[in-house]
Amino acid sequence: DAGVIQSPRHEVTEMGQEVTLRCKPISGHNSLFWYRQTMMRGLELLIYFNNNVPIDDSGMPEDRFSAKMPNASFSTLKIQPSEPRDSAVYFCASSFDVREQYFGPGTRLTVT
Amino acid sequence: AQTVTQSQPEMSVQEAETVTLSCTYDTSESDYYLFWYKQPPSRQMILVIRQEAYKQQNATENRFSVNFQKAAKSFSLKISDSQLGDAAMYFCAYPPGNQFYFGTGTSLTVIP
Repeated sequence: DAGVIQSPRHEVTEMGQEVTLRCKPISGHNSLFWYRQTMMRGLELLIYFNNNVPIDDSGMPEDRFSAKMPNASFSTLKIQPSEPRDSAVYFCASSFDVREQYFGPGTRLTVT
Repeated sequence: AQTVTQSQPEMSVQEAETVTLSCTYDTSESDYYLFWYKQPPSRQMILVIRQEAYKQQNATENRFSVNFQKAAKSFSLKISDSQLGDAAMYFCAYPPGNQFYFGTGTSLTVIP
């Protein structure tokens, strides 16, 4: 199994631009999680999908953030417009029935 | 309310020695899972070990073992024969219901 795949691995963009992060979960997993990690705030859960349906998006910081999961093998996290304070490492993780999560390699986002 | 607490922001251990990382959690459930994750400088989140609460036997994975004290809601990680490659951030995690809570992490330094 290839594990959780995230793209891009690194993203540098200017303030105000739209950013789209992508995730392919492990085949057979029915839960998908998006996290943000910063030095100041640690690891934060942004949103959680179960069977492609958003279950809890209370961690999404504001309306500039949106996430979709159109099918069981693909999810996106979009930031529009991006701001410097969005700079962080964004992780996608998947699991079967909210047991152990398997993480992707992360996307390091830098907004200048 | 803080659900998972790691009270040791930093720990150090001599190579080949043993170190124990602490974790406590809050729950009213009787059956649940607990996990330890490792995040090396590469920032990849790696599952180290899992414990199922209904199992009285402490989980073991090679040099990694846990001391699970259900009544005390304590879940510590013991690393035996520490190696340089064990240097990383270690996160304790607890998934109640549809959530997945991580502790704030313990940074482990291995001294040659």
